[in-house]
Amino acid sequence: SAVISQKPSRDICQRGTSLTIQCQVDSQVTMMFWYRQQPGQSLTLIATANQGSEATYESGFVIDKFPISRPNLTFSTLTVSNMSPEDSSIYLCSVGSDPPPNNEQFFGPGTRLTVL
Amino acid sequence: KQEVTQIPAALSVPEGENLVLNCSFTDSAIYNLQWFRQDPGKGLTSLLLIQSSQREQTSGRLNASLDKSSGRSTLYIAASQPGDSATYLCAVPSRNTPLVFGKGTRLSVIA
Repeated sequence: SAVISQKPSRDICQRGTSLTIQCQVDSQVTMMFWYRQQPGQSLTLIATANQGSEATYESGFVIDKFPISRPNLTFSTLTVSNMSPEDSSIYLCSVGSDPPPNNEQFFGPGTRLTVL
Repeated sequence: KQEVTQIPAALSVPEGENLVLNCSFTDSAIYNLQWFRQDPGKGLTSLLLIQSSQREQTSGRLNASLDKSSGRSTLYIAASQPGDSATYLCAVPSRNTPLVFGKGTRLSVIA
């Protein structure tokens, strides 16, 4: 299994600002995934981050709002830009034990974001 | 498009009771199914992964079954404890996304 850490664990931000979330994995992985979990909802995939190429975004998510970096095989960042209260969510990164789709997914502890 | 449904949405049981959580999915062409546990405001902990060729997987007091043809999985928790209180999520990979999640079952075990 993979051990994943995220920073910060939680933050309270003002409307219109941006927050960058870091995700660190204890082993090299090809793909890293970013999810959002809005209050009372299940997880929704934001994007897939591959090292050396641009992230692939799911329908409803755009790069200008959620820019992602993937500088190496163990690290990724997700930025939530120009925040509004609707961005208040838990943001989670995850990795798979092998390339998808037939693999086990592991998740970080999440970043709990509140936007005022 | 794969859709995952979990029933019940919430469940409250007395300590010591055995219980079953249900998960159904619309597209039976899955590679595997994964059960997770999520504590309030926290990340996800992987509990069990069942490959499509398997009928069940066991870990301690947890047993997960998979009936791929009918699009169903169950998570059985034996001798429940207050520490089992959490939200339980099931998820399956789809063609375009690593995992599609159900909305979860919120379990409360009362001492």
